[in-house]
Formats: sequence, C-alpha cells, structure tokens
Amino acid sequence: DQQVKQNSPSLSVQEGRISILNCDYTNSMFDYFLWYKKYPAEGPTFLISISSIKDKNEDGRFTVFLNKSAKHLSLHIVPSQPGDSAVYFCAASRLTGNQFYFGTGTSLTVIP
Amino acid sequence: DVKVTQSSRYLVKRTGEKVFLECVQDMDHENMFWYRQDPGLGLRLIYFSYDVKMKEKGDIPEGYSVSREKKERFSLILESASTNQTSMYLCASKAGRYEQYFGPGTRLTVT
Repeated sequence: DQQVKQNSPSLSVQEGRISILNCDYTNSMFDYFLWYKKYPAEGPTFLISISSIKDKNEDGRFTVFLNKSAKHLSLHIVPSQPGDSAVYFCAASRLTGNQFYFGTGTSLTVIP
Repeated sequence: DVKVTQSSRYLVKRTGEKVFLECVQDMDHENMFWYRQDPGLGLRLIYFSYDVKMKEKGDIPEGYSVSREKKERFSLILESASTNQTSMYLCASKAGRYEQYFGPGTRLTVT
C-alpha cells in the first residue's frame, strides 16, 4: 500500500503566483521528509527537507510545511517561475531506516 | 560536486536477454539504491545496499537482482528481460540519513 500519497497528478499556475503542492503520508513513524524536483530525461534533484521536530523550513522561494497531526506536508513556491515547471516528488523516511518512500509525483506547469 | 553516473542513458533489449545496469558514485556513500519510475506510479524501490556485498529487497524485487562488489558501484541485473520491465531506472546514493543523490537515469525498452 502506498505510504506516501500525492493526490494531485498535475497543477497549473500563472507565473508570479504561488504554487502549493501537497503530500499525505500514513506511517506515523516517518520523521524526515523531502521534496525532489525532476525534469524529463533527468534524475530527481533534491529541493528541500524537513525533520519532524520542525513544522516549517524555508529555502529562498521554497517553503515546506509539516502538519504531523494531519500527516500532511506541503511545498510552497513563491513566486512561481516557468523554470519551476517539472514533476515534484515528496518522500519520507523513518529514523531507523535507510529507505525513502516516494509519492507518485505532481507535474507542475508554470504558465508565463 | 557530487556525482552519480549510470552506464547508459538509453537501452533497447530483447525479451529474454540478460541486462546489466551499472551505477557508480564518487561520494564514498554507504547506501545505494535502484528505483524504477513509471507514469502514475512514482519511484518504486527495487533493491538497496547499505554496504559492500550487502543488499536488501525493496518493494518490487521480482525479476531483478543486484551486485555490490565495490563501495562505489551498484549493479542492477535483469535476469531475463520482459516487456513489463520497460521503464526508467534510477540509481541513487546517500550517506547516513540525508538526502539521496540520483543519477540521470536509464530509459530501458524491452521489445
């Protein structure tokens, strides 16, 4: 069963507006969460992470929010740029494990 | 700069062939991973290795095997390729609990 879910396969946003990508997880043992960005024909690249001791982490235009009680995290991109158009994957891991569990991805299109 | 390389970007093989996908990392990472990516299914873990000669099955190991004889190299083997193994294969490595670094991927087509 999918332990990490991204329920929106795609999202379109106008350039300059906010993009919000969502991710839900089922395993309460997950304590480290990441977002990856993937362009076609390339491997995913790490974007931003958050540990369960925090509820927010910022890096430039990218902010990740974690709501542990709801088992939900989101990635905010402000302002969105056409170069942000890519597939975004969220991932989660447990304290005692090596394995990352990935969501199915959300394809973001930023319209100029 | 960190680097994970994969032996081929594109590969076409026939059903029943034995296929080797090679991955090399130059970061001295203990952990290496093989995933496949399919539309609508995300990244699914096939196998991972946490040390030389050590391996663990991921979520979809059937039809695959792996080899890790040296720390920097992790090979994925399709013993007898089938059409349902047509996919994008991604190798990754990481140190400790931190983020994984991915290679560029190998697009494998089995005809």
